[in-house]
Amino acid sequence: AQKVTQAQTEISVVEKEDVTLDCVYETRDTTYYLFWYKQPPSGELVFLIRRNSFDEQNEISGRYSWNFQKSTSSFNFTITASQVVDSAVYFCALSEAGGRAGNNRKLIWGLGTSLAVNP
Amino acid sequence: DAGVTQSPTHLIKTRGQQVTLRCSPKSGHDTVSWYQQALGQGPQFIFQYYEEEERQRGNFPDRFSGHQFPNYSSELNVNALLLGDSALYLCASSDGLSGNTIYFGEGSWLTVV
Repeated sequence: AQKVTQAQTEISVVEKEDVTLDCVYETRDTTYYLFWYKQPPSGELVFLIRRNSFDEQNEISGRYSWNFQKSTSSFNFTITASQVVDSAVYFCALSEAGGRAGNNRKLIWGLGTSLAVNP
Repeated sequence: DAGVTQSPTHLIKTRGQQVTLRCSPKSGHDTVSWYQQALGQGPQFIFQYYEEEERQRGNFPDRFSGHQFPNYSSELNVNALLLGDSALYLCASSDGLSGNTIYFGEGSWLTVV
């Protein structure tokens, strides 16, 4: 069975600090996708990144970076020099890859990490 | 390029009533999925529609039903509402062929009293 664990329920940091959000996943599939989404208080889930299980290169996008380690089944997310606007709930999610047309795999979600960045 | 749009954004219903939520997928997307997100929880998959058919279903009772129209828009219907149905209902759209990135709407906040 697939499962995503985000062990950190809440994190509070002061602006400009670096913060890492942890994500550990379980799957028997050899091919899968991992996602990170940001959910501000308005409720909309904002896509941040999708990573294919075959691509273990770390990725950086501005102040955001992701560390994918297949050996430990982890896909951690780091925000460098955090800002107040980064305050939100962050979700890690997992889905199978492939499948026939019209059978996109559902997303399996962690419980989310609530990040508060204080001025 | 319009993203995923949902309506209504907020609504209050009485226990036992029925509700219909609507979703228009992102331009170019033909697959719509619905998720339920209770307060403090991650989203839970309800079902997915492609080519006007329900293709996958999560662990939700038959009170939850849906429909997809020829223009790819979708409706989620919930009958005999329970207090526990109070949640944020999220619509997600994707490309059925490639299964690429899944985009979400802002959701519909349903309160059952």
